[in-house]
Amino acid sequence: KAGVTQTPRYLIKTRGQQVTLSCSPISGHRSVSWYQQTPGQGLQFLFEYFSETQRNKGNFPGRFSGRQFSNSRSEMNVSTLELGDSALYLCASSPSPYQETQYFGPGTRLLVL
Amino acid sequence: KNEVEQSPQNLTAQEGEFITINCSYSVGISALHWLQQHPGGGIVSLFMLSSGKKKHGRLIATINIQEKHSSLHITASHPRDSAVYICAVDSNTGNQFYFGTGTSLTVIP
Repeated sequence: KAGVTQTPRYLIKTRGQQVTLSCSPISGHRSVSWYQQTPGQGLQFLFEYFSETQRNKGNFPGRFSGRQFSNSRSEMNVSTLELGDSALYLCASSPSPYQETQYFGPGTRLLVL
Repeated sequence: KNEVEQSPQNLTAQEGEFITINCSYSVGISALHWLQQHPGGGIVSLFMLSSGKKKHGRLIATINIQEKHSSLHITASHPRDSAVYICAVDSNTGNQFYFGTGTSLTVIP
C-alpha cells in the first residue's frame, strides 16, 4: 500500500497570506490527524478527523482549520499567516481513531516570511 | 507544565551499548506511543502500548500504568539507530494527544 502523502512538501508564504495543505491517508484509513512541529514548541496536536467530522482540536487559534472529504483525504488551512506559523506540518492516518498505530506522512515544511 | 516528560534530552552511546529512554506522563491515557524521527523530518511509529511490554527486533518498550511511566530500550545499538525518539500519549480526558520533547540519540561507531 502507498504511504501517507502530503502536498506540497515545501512552501514559502508571506505574512498575511493563507495556505492550504493536503494529506492523502493510506488506503482504507479513515482517521487523519494533523500536527505542527517547531524547534521551540516541539510537536503539537492540531486536530483529528474521522469520517468527515472533526473529533478533537488542539490549542490553536481559529486561523487554523481543516476538513476531511468523503474519500478520507484531508486539508488544513491557515489564514492570515504569522511568522510563528513557520513549521513542519505533519499528518498521520490510522484505520480508526481508537487506539490505533498512526502512520505519518513526510510533512509539509512551511516558511512564512 | 508538560504533560509528558522525557529523559535524557540528549544521549550519546558507543555502538553495541544498551540504551534506555524514559517517559513519564501526568494525564490519564488510553495509549502511549514511541516515535522515531530521523533528520529530514520523517516520523515512524515504533510502538503503541496500553499495558505491559512489546518487542520488535532490538527494540523493547514497556509501560507501567500505575506509575505513569514508560521506557524504550535499544539492545546492541547501531549508528543507524541515531535519531530523535519521541514519547506521545493519547489522553483519555479531552481526547488530546501530547508529545514529549524528544530524546536525541547519537550512536558512535
